[in-house]
Amino acid sequence: ETGVTQTPRHLVMGMTNKKSLKCEQHLGHNAMYWYKQSAKKPLELMFVYSLEERVENNSVPSRFSPECPNSSHLFLHLHTLQPEDSALYLCASSQRLAIEGDTQYFGPGTRLTVL
Amino acid sequence: GQNIDQPTEMTATEGAIVQINCTYQTSGFNGLFWYQQHAGEAPTFLSYNVLDGLEEKGRFSSFLSRSKGYSYLLLKELQMKDSASYLCAVMDSNYQLIWGAGTKLIIKP
Repeated sequence: ETGVTQTPRHLVMGMTNKKSLKCEQHLGHNAMYWYKQSAKKPLELMFVYSLEERVENNSVPSRFSPECPNSSHLFLHLHTLQPEDSALYLCASSQRLAIEGDTQYFGPGTRLTVL
Repeated sequence: GQNIDQPTEMTATEGAIVQINCTYQTSGFNGLFWYQQHAGEAPTFLSYNVLDGLEEKGRFSSFLSRSKGYSYLLLKELQMKDSASYLCAVMDSNYQLIWGAGTKLIIKP
């Protein structure tokens, strides 16, 4: 089973739609992350969860709503998005937060287009 | 503020050697990571440096100088499959990764 999976791989939605992105990790990790990747820009950390509790929210607009029901699953609920939200959304997991050398492993991403 | 700088794009020839540089200014330092990302795919972990010096892994090596805030990724015997973006990231004092914008490497035959 691939380490970190994401569905869907591609998503096109209108500004009034509601959709959800799903991430699942099969690595036994305790931390999970959502990132936004836009062309020619650094990865932007959106949310961090450790043992299902949110520990980081980097001033993300409320139209993005994360959910972590258990340590293997992470969702990103989307509603009333804007065209500038079009990007690649990456999920990652790592063994544990706040340890030196804690390596993050990424899923393939969801390519989101907002019309 | 925190900042990671790396070249936007580089071109190299198949079979040659290329060095991708990364300079950083961060609040504290808990290690530096290099990732490879092929177009439309997940970033994949290449290397981690926390002490000064060179770490070698097959055709890929990574170097770190903490006093200079500098790292490089060295790719030898380049292959066409090495065409990808290479991301540099530094773990700061809060154990958060600060990312560079990535270097797109184009390999020509």
